[in-house]
Amino acid sequence: GESVGLHLPTLSVQEGDNSIINCAYSNSASDYFIWYKQESGKGPQFIIDIRSNMDKRQGQRVTVLLNKTVKHLSLQIAATQPGDSAVYFCAETPNGGATNKLIFGTGTLLAVQP
Amino acid sequence: AAGVIQSPRHLIKEKRETATLKCYPIPRHDTVYWYQQGPGQDPQFLISFYEKMQSDKGSIPDRFSAQQFSDYHSELNMSSLELGDSALYFCASTSWKVKNIQYFGAGTRLSVL
Repeated sequence: GESVGLHLPTLSVQEGDNSIINCAYSNSASDYFIWYKQESGKGPQFIIDIRSNMDKRQGQRVTVLLNKTVKHLSLQIAATQPGDSAVYFCAETPNGGATNKLIFGTGTLLAVQP
Repeated sequence: AAGVIQSPRHLIKEKRETATLKCYPIPRHDTVYWYQQGPGQDPQFLISFYEKMQSDKGSIPDRFSAQQFSDYHSELNMSSLELGDSALYFCASTSWKVKNIQYFGAGTRLSVL
């Protein structure tokens, strides 16, 4: 992932609204994608994953959409809650990688207003 | 459920000193990854180990080395520390037999003065 220094893209939403966080990935050969949530001072926490042979996957209150044509990934959070406030990262695993190292995209700070 | 344990949580060092960070993976996980995260930045892959052998190497300085031991815990050794090494260092673990999802520890915050 490319560093953006101290200025993370920020998404501000009202509690109860739906949130959509977008991510552009770099490697068209990547076959596995993950969304992580990182709260201040903590490690990234797994949210949901999707393989390249799918274009949508749903979890509890979250949905990930994958558009391989434009190398775009999005995370939709339904009924956003204050506890959802965090930095969200998408990550990709290059196809054929022996170790599945994660390449992180630029994080997005989600700020939920009560 | 047991998670990835990292120690210490915080570490303060002077320039040119050495530091050792430890990582204890989730039980039965055989693969460990190290990532470095600067302030406001995304985590950057450093190095990984599978079954005690180095499996991949990223943007890890030559001043850093790491290994995985017989009990699968891993240590990241950092020498000749520089101010720019100040960052959060995360360890993640996974198992090829279960899933490829990487589970992260809480990290070690290293401050080089």
